[in-house]
Amino acid sequence: GENVEQHPSTLSVQEGDSAVIKCTYSDSASNYFPWYKQELGKRPQLIIDIRSNVGEKKDQRIAVTLNKTAKHFSLHITETQPEDSAVYFCAASGGDSNYQLIWGAGTKLIIKP
Amino acid sequence: SAVISQKPSRDICQRGTSLTIQCQVDSQVTMMFWYRQQPGQSLTLIATANQGSEATYESGFVIDKFPISRPNLTFSTLTVSNMSPEDSSIYLCSVRTGRGNEQFFGPGTRLTVL
Repeated sequence: GENVEQHPSTLSVQEGDSAVIKCTYSDSASNYFPWYKQELGKRPQLIIDIRSNVGEKKDQRIAVTLNKTAKHFSLHITETQPEDSAVYFCAASGGDSNYQLIWGAGTKLIIKP
Repeated sequence: SAVISQKPSRDICQRGTSLTIQCQVDSQVTMMFWYRQQPGQSLTLIATANQGSEATYESGFVIDKFPISRPNLTFSTLTVSNMSPEDSSIYLCSVRTGRGNEQFFGPGTRLTVL
């Protein structure tokens, strides 16, 4: 079945710098890749997603890139701010998992003032 | 996105008892899911709640322990039965609205079993 690996587990960056979180997936038939942000004590919130028919998608300071050949996708956050501190999860669906989301282990992003 | 509520938001229970968690959505949705999230961990899918039929459980989760109901397209319940301290966790419902693959989460239920 599908497996999603996420790196790094913790990422500490200076406020204003960029942050990049990477995920790899195993099922080449997967076609939907969302990213969720979870603040402490809150629910996971969908912040951006990408489908397999595009290579990049941007929304203000966040962007997601997808490399189908290498089976990896990445979340890019530019000009990081203190409110970006949270745990970020990647996921994949489609293929054998169909509608189910297969989750990465999460990345704790720490923004240093 | 859909507006999703869960009740209770938190509870402290004694071992051996059962707790039923409710999930209510403000619009009809095609799919509802129940997840468990341990502190500092990722999300683990318990089951998919199917309207009008039995839930589909993931490996490691069984109906006797986690019975699920879904009487209509806007409501579902998850019961955690015969609880032990190992069941202490956050339980989240999520929905897929049908307009795409997007899933949205309820606020979660924080369960502590003593």
